[in-house]
Amino acid sequence: EPEVTQTPSHQVTQMGQEVILRCVPISNHLYFYWYRQILGQKVEFLVSFYNNEISEKSEIFDDQFSVERPDGSNFTLKIRSTKLEDSAMYFCATPREARSYNEQFFGPGTRLTVL
Amino acid sequence: AQKVTQAQTEISVVEKEDVTLDCVYETRDTTYYLFWYKQPPSGELVFLIRRNSFDEQNEISGRYSWNFQKSTSSFNFTITASQVVDSAVYFCALLKSDGQNFVFGPGTRLSVLP
Repeated sequence: EPEVTQTPSHQVTQMGQEVILRCVPISNHLYFYWYRQILGQKVEFLVSFYNNEISEKSEIFDDQFSVERPDGSNFTLKIRSTKLEDSAMYFCATPREARSYNEQFFGPGTRLTVL
Repeated sequence: AQKVTQAQTEISVVEKEDVTLDCVYETRDTTYYLFWYKQPPSGELVFLIRRNSFDEQNEISGRYSWNFQKSTSSFNFTITASQVVDSAVYFCALLKSDGQNFVFGPGTRLSVLP
């Protein structure tokens, strides 16, 4: 089964600090997604990224968030100035097939704790 | 608007009992995809099944079975002879045909007691 990896597994930061969450999706895939799950709540869509551009984003994905693919393989989610309410599990996802958008495989997640 | 409802917040069963997790969805799309994911205590999201809107055939995989009823917009999930390892949060999710993003239900926490 294809693997999506995420680092770090757990990040603790102070409010107002910048954090960068990293994802290594399945190679050669063009579609990437970030989702967020506040503890005990449902998984929420943040942003989709296709061919190095944002293709869709939710209302959660405000100016504090940005995504990029700095080196053609890693896929990052940056939060510029973290708030307490940003504490959540962040999942990266990629489809099974390179040019498909179905059957997304999720990475193991990064648990972000903002103090 | 798209929406997924999982009315059961928490379910507790005793090992070897059968249990059905309900999922009702709303969409205006004629083509869409439905999914079930399992989230064990470790936190990862484990893919269980995908179903296309034009394929209403029910599916069985081992102890798992899924009942897709387009007429009632439901995609229910049954675990037969439940085991303690089935304890997890189960999410039903809807994906639009253009595949931009999932809409997840709120999840059902299943506890299987020994």
